[in-house]
Amino acid sequence: KAGVTQTPRYLIKTRGQQVTLSCSPISGHRSVSWYQQTPGQGLQFLFEYFSETQRNKGNFPGRFSGRQFSNSRSEMNVSTLELGDSALYLCASSPGRGGNTGELFFGEGSRLTVL
Amino acid sequence: TQLLEQSPQFLSIQEGENLTVYCNSSSVFSSLQWYRQEPGEGPVLLVTVVTGGEVKKLKRLTFQFGDARKDSSLHITAAQPGDTGLYLCAGANWGKLQFGAGTQVVVTP
Repeated sequence: KAGVTQTPRYLIKTRGQQVTLSCSPISGHRSVSWYQQTPGQGLQFLFEYFSETQRNKGNFPGRFSGRQFSNSRSEMNVSTLELGDSALYLCASSPGRGGNTGELFFGEGSRLTVL
Repeated sequence: TQLLEQSPQFLSIQEGENLTVYCNSSSVFSSLQWYRQEPGEGPVLLVTVVTGGEVKKLKRLTFQFGDARKDSSLHITAAQPGDTGLYLCAGANWGKLQFGAGTQVVVTP
């Protein structure tokens, strides 16, 4: 069974640009959550999508957005990039709602560097 | 500010020694999970604890959930180099999973 796939794995952008990250969940999983991981803050919850609807949102500015498609694949977008957006962005899928006791299956992440 | 405080932040020990990692919060969680993350990979779930006072064992790893469901600990007996990694606790509440900053464990041969 294929795991969670995130693309691209690495990318470099400059301030002011925008970026789109993609996540393909495990087949059959309907929930996709996104996290930002930095050395200082650890994993910070961005948002969760379930059946194409955003079910939960973390405390991030509106520059961070996402969506989920009918096949459960998800994308997140960051507009007007800032230096502080440099981080590892992790996607996780689960069969049901990810915020409950169910296990999260993480991808390897997309490492974004903003110059 | 982290909702979940993990301590210590970094732990370096020799193979065969024991170690304990702590996860504390002022909030009550419906459940708490422990993950391990290795370099270049995403976190992998080790265990979920749900009941206050619950103790779960996974080979050489022992996980305990506090009676009040606000804190947890992870104890590793006779650590091996393969136990090296970032250990993350995560508390579940209101449909969200909140992670601690993690404890980096290094086990040297």
